[in-house]
Amino acid sequence: AQTVTQSQPEMSVQEAETVTLSCTYDTSESDYYLFWYKQPPSRQMILVIRQEAYKQQNATENRFSVNFQKAAKSFSLKISDSQLGDAAMYFCAFQGADGLTFGKGTHLIIQP
Amino acid sequence: EPEVTQTPSHQVTQMGQEVILRCVPISNHLYFYWYRQILGQKVEFLVSFYNNEISEKSEIFDDQFSVERPDGSNFTLKIRSTKLEDSAMYFCASSAYGEGARNEQYFGPGTRLTVT
Repeated sequence: AQTVTQSQPEMSVQEAETVTLSCTYDTSESDYYLFWYKQPPSRQMILVIRQEAYKQQNATENRFSVNFQKAAKSFSLKISDSQLGDAAMYFCAFQGADGLTFGKGTHLIIQP
Repeated sequence: EPEVTQTPSHQVTQMGQEVILRCVPISNHLYFYWYRQILGQKVEFLVSFYNNEISEKSEIFDDQFSVERPDGSNFTLKIRSTKLEDSAMYFCASSAYGEGARNEQYFGPGTRLTVT
């Protein structure tokens, strides 16, 4: 079974600054997807960004980008120019042959 | 853009009662899922469903739970004899493809279940 580890229960960043959320995973599979989901106080799960394991290029979506290190099984999320609306729980998730596995989440606080 | 919908958004029930949580997956999707998130914890897989039968379930999904696709659009999760520890957010998801690595699951907004 896959495991996903988010070692930062909580992170805080000043508005307009950059923050990086870390995620590591453990798998023996070579073909898989990785996701970052945002969960605001409404508790809806919102897909932020996805990365295909077979792609070497790091995914980017506007202010959100990832640093995917396949050999190290690391998948960090960088949020640039942080905004108050970015405050939320962020979950890293692994999608492999056995389905979707989530990490425990990182609570991101944006300081005005 | 098509989306997964769930009703109700919040359900309050008394311990021992049965509840049915409803989901309408994206119309051309063939694979359906339920997940649970207890407050403050991570999202946990409950069950996946394809071709009118369960394809995979977790150890959380015991005899208290059942799923059904009663018609061409709805996908339901039934919880019999609810317990206090069933209080959680329940997410429905759907995908166009199977459970392989190239699948992408689209999540609904969730139903908050409160058991009193």
